[in-house]
Amino acid sequence: DQQVKQNSPSLSVQEGRISILNCDYTNSMFDYFLWYKKYPAEGPTFLISISSIKDKNEDGRFTVFLNKSAKHLSLHIVPSQPGDSAVYFCAASEMTGSARQLTFGSGTQLTVLP
Amino acid sequence: ETGVTQSPTHLIKTRGQQVTLRCSSQSGHNTVSWYQQALGQGPQFIFQYYREEENGRGNFPPRFSGLQFPNYSSELNVNALELDDSALYLCASSPQSRSTYEQYFGPGTRLTVT
Repeated sequence: DQQVKQNSPSLSVQEGRISILNCDYTNSMFDYFLWYKKYPAEGPTFLISISSIKDKNEDGRFTVFLNKSAKHLSLHIVPSQPGDSAVYFCAASEMTGSARQLTFGSGTQLTVLP
Repeated sequence: ETGVTQSPTHLIKTRGQQVTLRCSSQSGHNTVSWYQQALGQGPQFIFQYYREEENGRGNFPPRFSGLQFPNYSSELNVNALELDDSALYLCASSPQSRSTYEQYFGPGTRLTVT
């Protein structure tokens, strides 16, 4: 069973417009949520995170929203730029025993069109 | 500050063989986690090492094993390779396992099992 789901495999957006990437989760024990960006032939790069006790975190063009009752989070990118084209992974963090483990969604390929 | 590095970049092995993948943590990081990313999927947690001890494990069989050395570099060993082991193997480091949820990833090792 997938505990973190990204239901949109791909998203295309015009340059300058808003990109909204969505993520759903099922495990109530997750206490932090993170977004990573991945280019081909590179490892995932950390973008932004949010604690489960908050509902919004903003960093420049990137904002993450958390709706804990709906077990849903989203990443907003405004304005979108062609360099933002990459695969975006939603990840959720929890302590399992002594380890802090990340559980990832399957990713969304964002394409920003010039 | 040096980021996470992994070697080799690519590797081809035959079913039944054994493989060792290597990772150097980011400077100052004492925790390392390994993930397996199959094609079209998000990374899946294999295990985590903290101060040379395995302190957490995902749903992977015992033929996946690891080591962490005093300089915090790490190895992932996979015995009796199966075709389904073909994947991108990612190493991630973080400063401390309990309080730090952000993990910083290396570029990965692409393993192909034929």
